[in-house]
Amino acid sequence: GDSVTQMEGPVTLSEEAFLTINCTYTATGYPSLFWYVQYPGEGLQLLLKATKADDKGSNKGFEATYRKETTSFHLEKGSVQVSDSAVYFCALSLYSSASKIIFGSGTRLSIRP
Amino acid sequence: EPEVTQTPSHQVTQMGQEVILRCVPISNHLYFYWYRQILGQKVEFLVSFYNNEISEKSEIFDDQFSVERPDGSNFTLKIRSTKLEDSAMYFCASSDPPPSQETQYFGPGTRLLVL
Repeated sequence: GDSVTQMEGPVTLSEEAFLTINCTYTATGYPSLFWYVQYPGEGLQLLLKATKADDKGSNKGFEATYRKETTSFHLEKGSVQVSDSAVYFCALSLYSSASKIIFGSGTRLSIRP
Repeated sequence: EPEVTQTPSHQVTQMGQEVILRCVPISNHLYFYWYRQILGQKVEFLVSFYNNEISEKSEIFDDQFSVERPDGSNFTLKIRSTKLEDSAMYFCASSDPPPSQETQYFGPGTRLLVL
């Protein structure tokens, strides 16, 4: 079935380090791909998305490119800040009306000052 | 910026009691959803709702669960007889009108604790 696999955490980095969180997917058809972020004590916020192959989603310095050939959507940021500490969820949606989102298990990111 | 709102933020109930979780989706959205996240686990889809009927539901969404859009703004999730394992964070979401209906926006969640 359709699924999302992302690297397990927790991931701990120093401020200004380079971040990569790996995400791969399995899907029938051509999904839309998302990264959601959950800050401590808060709900899910859409961070970025890509709806077709080779699209790059970007927001707040984060980027992810939809790679159909490797079925991946890795999240990257060039220089992380303490305020980026959160849980990051990779997710997919099959492009259809009222389609559910399938989430990965989440990766907890902690940034040291 | 428009956002999805949910009430209450926290709810504590006794096993066997009924609870109703409330959501106000973004005003021009047409598709509505409920998800849940058991502590420390992944976010799981429960149900989607469009045009006043359920579009899809997961195996979690059994006869104890129901959804309703009682008026033009609210979207509710009812659990008729809560069980201990219903303790979770419940998220409501709504999505853009076509052609961007794949993008869902989530509310802040209701943390339900069943004792």
